[in-house]
Amino acid sequence: IAGITQAPTSQILAAGRRMTLRCTQDMRHNAMYWYRQDLGLGLRLIHYSNTAGTTGKGEVPDGYSVSRANTDDFPLTLASAVPSQTSVYFCASSDSPGHNQPQHFGDGTRLSIL
Amino acid sequence: AQSVAQPEDQVNVAEGNPLTVKCTYSVSGNPYLFWYVQYPNRGLQFLLKYITGDNLVKGSYGFEAEFNKSQTSFHLKKPSALVSDSALYFCAVRGLYGGSQGNLIFGKGTKLSVKP
Repeated sequence: IAGITQAPTSQILAAGRRMTLRCTQDMRHNAMYWYRQDLGLGLRLIHYSNTAGTTGKGEVPDGYSVSRANTDDFPLTLASAVPSQTSVYFCASSDSPGHNQPQHFGDGTRLSIL
Repeated sequence: AQSVAQPEDQVNVAEGNPLTVKCTYSVSGNPYLFWYVQYPNRGLQFLLKYITGDNLVKGSYGFEAEFNKSQTSFHLKKPSALVSDSALYFCAVRGLYGGSQGNLIFGKGTKLSVKP
């Protein structure tokens, strides 16, 4: 079934450790996004990529980095995890970023930083 | 700046009754509005969108939404609620954050609970 695959499903991580959340899509979508979901705050954009080879900062980018080496993969890295990064992380993609196509979401990575 | 507000944290309805989940928006320019649903431990699923045209938009699972420009609202509705509609619902507006051409700005979500 076509869609977005995120890994791991969940993770408990010690503060200060480095962590990469993986995201792969098989729909050949141009645009990809990373959001974090926190209770009472909805989803907030961390980073985005309009097309392979380009990335940009969203609303809450501090402490996170991304890369977009190819169309399918959009990993999110926490260089040195802190407890405030405990959250549920969602990767999403859309076909053409400027054409108001709906975004498709993965099932999320639940990350706890201790 | 683009923003959306969902004034109700939770909406409770009885099965078979009509339901409304409220959303208001603030945008500069034409609004591009979306509704998504999230079931427990799952990602968001697209329900419907308003870009232009008819103010009444029909979407998945029998849901519809009415765009009201004068009231800057985009309320989600369903004529007859099902227990299986119980979930978290998010209203969103196209954000155009920085150089992004299509990111979404989400409301805080409304938990819908449908009781038998």
